[in-house]
Amino acid sequence: DAKTTQPPSMDCAEGRAANLPCNHSTISGNEYVYWYRQIHSQGPQYIIHGLKNNETNEMASLIITEDRKSSTLILPHATLRDTAVYYCIVRFRTSGTYKYIFGTGTRLKVLA
Amino acid sequence: EAGVAQSPRYKIIEKRQSVAFWCNPISGHATLYWYQQILGQGPKLLIQFQNNGVVDDSQLPKDRFSAERLKGVDSTLKIQPAKLEDSAVYLCASSFYSTGTNSYNEQFFGPGTRLTVL
Repeated sequence: DAKTTQPPSMDCAEGRAANLPCNHSTISGNEYVYWYRQIHSQGPQYIIHGLKNNETNEMASLIITEDRKSSTLILPHATLRDTAVYYCIVRFRTSGTYKYIFGTGTRLKVLA
Repeated sequence: EAGVAQSPRYKIIEKRQSVAFWCNPISGHATLYWYQQILGQGPKLLIQFQNNGVVDDSQLPKDRFSAERLKGVDSTLKIQPAKLEDSAVYLCASSFYSTGTNSYNEQFFGPGTRLTVL
């Protein structure tokens, strides 16, 4: 079972910030939060990851709550090309390797 | 840098037929993954290789699915015989091998093979 919970869909106006929430209440101390997105008919694409500090890169920002039970992915100025399914994943360790379990994600629609 | 290559991109077969998918990971990536993505769902891991050894195949329906990565580089996934419920996109991904707790382990995905079983 996925270790994360996300809203099934969200809309955002073009040019505005898109804030995508994720709950991961059972996350363990050394498990990272990863975000990927999947544009129609393509494979998932890495966006960002974090452990407990907030992170920012050229694509997005990741805000993780102090108790690490939830996080928010922020796309600061959404464009039509950001329309995609966004997956929040907790990377966990099992049998000597790291594993992702994808949930159903949040379908973000950016509106003109 | 070349990405993960997959072929074919699309395949239509009748139920009970066999099918094979090919994946060539990013050069230097020791870890290779096969995922199945049914319409409307997130990808589900079928099998994970570390070089040419299987690390996790707990979700692979072994009565009909098989996968190999003989030389630790490219990989094939086979379905024999196919069922209607195997209709899905089959995604291959690869990542740089690292076991440290702070390791990056970003997975790079190919475009997928869309399988339709009639």
